[in-house]
Amino acid sequence: SQQGEEDPQALSIQEGENATMNCSYKTSINNLQWYRQNSGRGLVHLILIRSNEREKHSGRLRVTLDTSKKSSSLLITASRAADTASYFCATVGSSASKIIFGSGTRLSIRP
Amino acid sequence: EAGVVQSPRYKIIEKKQPVAFWCNPISGHNTLYWYRQNLGQGPELLIRYENEEAVDDSQLPKDRFSAERLKGVDSTLKIQPAELGDSAVYLCASSSRDRGSYNEQFFGPGTRLTVL
Repeated sequence: SQQGEEDPQALSIQEGENATMNCSYKTSINNLQWYRQNSGRGLVHLILIRSNEREKHSGRLRVTLDTSKKSSSLLITASRAADTASYFCATVGSSASKIIFGSGTRLSIRP
Repeated sequence: EAGVVQSPRYKIIEKKQPVAFWCNPISGHNTLYWYRQNLGQGPELLIRYENEEAVDDSQLPKDRFSAERLKGVDSTLKIQPAELGDSAVYLCASSSRDRGSYNEQFFGPGTRLTVL
């Protein structure tokens, strides 16, 4: 069963624009992670946010976490062609014993 | 630093045949994971090892799947016999003790299995 569900399933934006994708989950978590997957580099860890954190930044990435709404968002600013990929959220349960990936958002950056 | 190595990269077999996948994690990483990823879906954890111990294999279909990590380094995942529904990409990942389980994982390129 999928714990994290990404929204939208697919997103197409112009290069230079910002991209926002969301992840909702059902049960309490220890942390939530975002991964990127493209054909060239496989699955790559982007950022981890813990349940007691509300926001984290890494370069052009900004992740927020709202545990009251059981949701997270990933913002990519000033998008580039190389950002074209599928983005997955993964939730780690509160006992840190399980990790569950969502189905992903497929992001396309138009030149 | 070398990344996670997996072989083979592609495998095509007839149903009911056995198949094995090999993974060599990043040096020093004590935690190793096997995932299965179906087309258009996120990875699904099959088994997690801490050193040579399988600490979570609840999602591994034990009637036909088996895994081992005998010396706590590289690992093998086997399917016997394979079924049509086993067609997927099998991913191996590793993480270090310092970062804990289910923190930053480093993934290999995967093995794409096609069962005919």
